[in-house]
Amino acid sequence: GENVEQHPSTLSVQEGDSAVIKCTYSDSASNYFPWYKQELGKRPQLIIDIRSNVGEKKDQRIAVTLNKTAKHFSLHITETQPEDSAVYFCAASNPYNQGGKLIFGQGTELSVKP
Amino acid sequence: DAGITQSPRHKVTETGTPVTLRCHQTENHRYMYWYRQDPGHGLRLIHYSYGVKDTDKGEVSDGYSVSRSKTEDFLLTLESATSSQTSVYFCAISPGLAGGGSYEQYFGPGTRLTVT
Repeated sequence: GENVEQHPSTLSVQEGDSAVIKCTYSDSASNYFPWYKQELGKRPQLIIDIRSNVGEKKDQRIAVTLNKTAKHFSLHITETQPEDSAVYFCAASNPYNQGGKLIFGQGTELSVKP
Repeated sequence: DAGITQSPRHKVTETGTPVTLRCHQTENHRYMYWYRQDPGHGLRLIHYSYGVKDTDKGEVSDGYSVSRSKTEDFLLTLESATSSQTSVYFCAISPGLAGGGSYEQYFGPGTRLTVT
Protein backbone atom coordinates (compact mmCIF):
# COMPACT_ATOMS: atom_id res chain seq x y z
CA GLY A 1 0.00 0.00 0.00
CA GLU A 2 0.91 3.65 0.09
CA ASN A 3 3.87 4.41 2.29
CA VAL A 4 6.00 7.39 3.33
CA GLU A 5 9.42 6.81 4.86
CA GLN A 6 11.04 9.61 6.86
CA HIS A 7 14.67 9.97 7.97
CA PRO A 8 16.29 10.53 10.33
CA SER A 9 14.09 9.70 13.30
CA THR A 10 16.12 12.02 15.53
CA LEU A 11 18.32 14.96 14.62
CA SER A 12 20.42 17.14 16.89
CA VAL A 13 22.04 20.35 15.64
CA GLN A 14 23.73 23.37 17.12
CA GLU A 15 21.90 26.68 17.04
CA GLY A 16 22.64 28.43 13.75
CA ASP A 17 23.33 25.22 11.83
CA SER A 18 21.09 23.85 9.11
CA ALA A 19 18.82 20.82 9.45
CA VAL A 20 17.60 18.56 6.66
CA ILE A 21 14.85 15.96 6.92
CA LYS A 22 14.16 13.60 4.04
CA CYS A 23 11.11 11.64 2.96
CA THR A 24 10.39 9.13 0.25
CA TYR A 25 6.96 8.09 -0.94
CA SER A 26 5.72 5.03 -2.76
CA ASP A 27 2.64 6.24 -4.66
CA SER A 28 3.84 7.88 -7.88
CA ALA A 29 0.43 9.59 -8.29
CA SER A 30 0.97 11.67 -5.14
CA ASN A 31 1.06 15.38 -5.91
CA TYR A 32 0.73 17.23 -2.60
CA PHE A 33 3.43 17.14 0.08
CA PRO A 34 2.88 19.06 3.35
CA TRP A 35 5.17 19.34 6.34
CA TYR A 36 3.91 19.64 9.90
CA LYS A 37 5.63 20.78 13.08
CA GLN A 38 4.44 19.40 16.39
CA GLU A 39 5.66 20.81 19.68
CA LEU A 40 5.40 18.70 22.80
CA GLY A 41 1.80 18.26 23.87
CA LYS A 42 0.48 20.37 21.00
CA ARG A 43 -1.34 19.75 17.74
CA PRO A 44 0.53 19.32 14.43
CA GLN A 45 0.84 22.66 12.65
CA LEU A 46 1.20 22.99 8.88
CA ILE A 47 4.43 24.91 8.21
CA ILE A 48 4.98 24.54 4.48
CA ASP A 49 3.75 22.45 1.58
CA ILE A 50 4.66 21.80 -2.03
CA ARG A 51 2.79 20.56 -5.05
CA SER A 52 4.16 18.42 -7.83
CA ASN A 53 4.25 21.22 -10.38
CA VAL A 54 7.14 22.95 -8.57
CA GLY A 55 10.53 21.68 -7.46
CA GLU A 56 11.23 24.02 -4.56
CA LYS A 57 9.40 26.38 -2.25
CA LYS A 58 10.80 28.72 0.40
CA ASP A 59 9.34 30.57 3.33
CA GLN A 60 11.89 32.55 5.29
CA ARG A 61 14.20 30.01 6.98
CA ILE A 62 12.41 26.91 5.75
CA ALA A 63 12.36 25.38 2.30
CA VAL A 64 11.06 22.20 0.75
CA THR A 65 12.41 20.47 -2.33
CA LEU A 66 10.75 17.79 -4.43
CA ASN A 67 12.23 15.25 -6.81
CA LYS A 68 9.30 13.50 -8.44
CA THR A 69 11.47 11.17 -10.49
CA ALA A 70 13.12 9.78 -7.39
CA LYS A 71 9.97 10.20 -5.27
CA HIS A 72 11.90 12.17 -2.67
CA PHE A 73 11.10 15.40 -0.87
CA SER A 74 13.02 17.20 1.82
CA LEU A 75 12.62 19.92 4.44
CA HIS A 76 15.50 22.33 4.94
CA ILE A 77 15.71 24.62 7.96
CA THR A 78 18.50 27.20 7.94
CA GLU A 79 19.89 29.22 10.86
CA THR A 80 18.16 26.94 13.33
CA GLN A 81 16.93 28.36 16.62
CA PRO A 82 15.98 26.63 19.90
CA GLU A 83 12.31 27.25 19.12
CA ASP A 84 12.67 25.05 16.04
CA SER A 85 12.96 22.08 18.41
CA ALA A 86 9.92 19.88 17.76
CA VAL A 87 8.81 16.76 15.91
CA TYR A 88 8.43 17.27 12.18
CA PHE A 89 6.19 15.11 10.00
CA CYS A 90 6.13 14.84 6.24
CA ALA A 91 3.10 13.59 4.35
CA ALA A 92 1.95 12.79 0.83
CA SER A 93 -1.43 12.86 -0.84
CA ASN A 94 -2.76 11.28 -4.02
CA PRO A 95 -5.49 13.50 -5.55
CA TYR A 96 -7.31 10.46 -6.90
CA ASN A 97 -7.93 9.26 -3.36
CA GLN A 98 -11.30 10.47 -2.20
CA GLY A 99 -10.90 13.14 0.43
CA GLY A 100 -7.25 14.00 -0.14
CA LYS A 101 -6.08 11.50 2.45
CA LEU A 102 -2.62 12.18 3.81
CA ILE A 103 -0.10 9.42 4.41
CA PHE A 104 2.35 10.53 7.10
CA GLY A 105 5.95 9.67 7.73
CA GLN A 106 6.96 8.46 11.17
CA GLY A 107 8.33 11.82 12.29
CA THR A 108 11.72 13.39 13.05
CA GLU A 109 12.51 14.74 16.49
CA LEU A 110 14.67 17.82 15.96
CA SER A 111 16.68 19.18 18.86
CA VAL A 112 18.43 22.54 18.48
CA LYS A 113 21.06 23.07 21.15
CA PRO A 114 21.86 26.63 22.20
CA ASP B 1 -5.63 28.00 14.80
CA ALA B 2 -8.55 27.04 12.61
CA GLY B 3 -11.89 26.83 14.40
CA ILE B 4 -11.65 23.24 15.54
CA THR B 5 -12.45 21.93 18.99
CA GLN B 6 -12.37 18.42 20.38
CA SER B 7 -14.14 17.05 23.41
CA PRO B 8 -13.31 15.68 25.82
CA ARG B 9 -9.64 16.68 25.92
CA HIS B 10 -8.78 13.88 28.31
CA LYS B 11 -10.60 10.68 29.16
CA VAL B 12 -9.87 7.58 31.17
CA THR B 13 -12.16 4.64 30.62
CA GLU B 14 -12.29 0.93 31.32
CA THR B 15 -11.89 -1.90 28.86
CA GLY B 16 -15.18 -2.86 27.26
CA THR B 17 -16.95 0.47 27.70
CA PRO B 18 -18.17 2.56 24.78
CA VAL B 19 -16.50 5.90 24.17
CA THR B 20 -17.46 8.76 21.86
CA LEU B 21 -15.13 11.58 20.92
CA ARG B 22 -16.44 14.74 19.32
CA CYS B 23 -14.88 17.05 16.78
CA HIS B 24 -16.55 20.39 16.10
CA GLN B 25 -15.57 22.92 13.42
CA THR B 26 -16.72 26.44 12.67
CA GLU B 27 -14.99 26.69 9.25
CA ASN B 28 -17.72 24.99 7.20
CA HIS B 29 -15.07 22.72 5.65
CA ARG B 30 -16.25 19.74 3.66
CA TYR B 31 -13.67 17.19 4.79
CA MET B 32 -13.09 15.93 8.31
CA TYR B 33 -10.66 13.28 9.51
CA TRP B 34 -9.86 11.26 12.61
CA TYR B 35 -6.26 10.24 13.29
CA ARG B 36 -4.56 8.45 16.12
CA GLN B 37 -1.02 9.20 17.17
CA ASP B 38 1.19 6.64 18.84
CA PRO B 39 4.95 6.69 19.48
CA GLY B 40 6.84 5.30 16.51
CA HIS B 41 3.79 5.32 14.23
CA GLY B 42 3.26 8.95 13.43
CA LEU B 43 -0.29 9.90 12.54
CA ARG B 44 -2.54 7.18 11.19
CA LEU B 45 -5.92 7.80 9.59
CA ILE B 46 -8.86 6.04 11.24
CA HIS B 47 -11.86 7.34 9.28
CA TYR B 48 -12.69 10.40 7.25
CA SER B 49 -15.77 12.19 5.97
CA TYR B 50 -16.27 13.94 2.63
CA GLY B 51 -19.69 15.34 3.43
CA VAL B 52 -22.72 14.98 5.67
CA LYS B 53 -23.45 11.26 6.08
CA ASP B 54 -20.52 10.43 3.74
CA THR B 55 -17.70 8.58 5.47
CA ASP B 56 -15.02 6.08 4.58
CA LYS B 57 -12.39 3.97 6.30
CA GLY B 58 -8.76 4.83 6.78
CA GLU B 59 -5.81 2.55 7.42
CA VAL B 60 -6.63 1.65 11.05
CA SER B 61 -10.45 1.58 11.16
CA ASP B 62 -11.03 -1.72 12.98
CA GLY B 63 -12.82 -1.17 16.29
CA TYR B 64 -13.93 2.36 15.38
CA SER B 65 -17.05 3.84 13.83
CA VAL B 66 -17.90 7.41 12.85
CA SER B 67 -20.90 9.55 12.13
CA ARG B 68 -21.44 12.95 10.60
CA SER B 69 -25.02 14.19 10.80
CA LYS B 70 -24.14 17.84 10.17
CA THR B 71 -21.27 19.69 8.59
CA GLU B 72 -19.75 20.95 11.81
CA ASP B 73 -19.63 17.73 13.83
CA PHE B 74 -17.73 14.48 13.30
CA LEU B 75 -18.04 11.81 15.99
CA LEU B 76 -15.66 8.93 16.60
CA THR B 77 -17.01 5.96 18.56
CA LEU B 78 -15.14 3.10 20.14
CA GLU B 79 -17.92 0.56 20.60
CA SER B 80 -15.99 -1.48 23.18
CA ALA B 81 -12.72 0.15 24.16
CA THR B 82 -9.56 -1.95 24.39
CA SER B 83 -6.15 -1.14 25.87
CA SER B 84 -4.69 -1.03 22.35
CA GLN B 85 -6.88 2.01 21.69
CA THR B 86 -5.06 4.05 24.31
CA SER B 87 -3.73 6.89 22.22
CA VAL B 88 -3.94 10.56 21.37
CA TYR B 89 -6.73 11.22 18.89
CA PHE B 90 -6.63 14.19 16.54
CA CYS B 91 -9.37 15.52 14.37
CA ALA B 92 -8.48 17.47 11.22
CA ILE B 93 -10.45 19.48 8.69
CA SER B 94 -9.88 20.50 5.08
CA PRO B 95 -11.82 22.61 2.60
CA GLY B 96 -11.09 20.29 -0.33
CA LEU B 97 -10.42 21.40 -3.90
CA ALA B 98 -13.94 22.56 -4.79
CA GLY B 99 -14.38 26.31 -5.12
CA GLY B 100 -10.66 26.99 -5.26
CA GLY B 101 -9.95 25.34 -1.95
CA SER B 102 -7.16 22.95 -1.13
CA TYR B 103 -6.41 19.72 0.62
CA GLU B 104 -4.50 21.49 3.39
CA GLN B 105 -5.46 19.86 6.66
CA TYR B 106 -5.71 21.68 9.97
CA PHE B 107 -5.68 19.81 13.23
CA GLY B 108 -7.69 20.11 16.41
CA PRO B 109 -6.07 20.17 19.87
CA GLY B 110 -6.35 16.41 20.39
CA THR B 111 -7.95 14.05 22.92
CA ARG B 112 -5.81 11.90 25.16
CA LEU B 113 -7.64 8.61 25.77
CA THR B 114 -6.49 6.04 28.28
CA VAL B 115 -8.17 2.63 28.40
CA THR B 116 -7.43 0.72 31.61
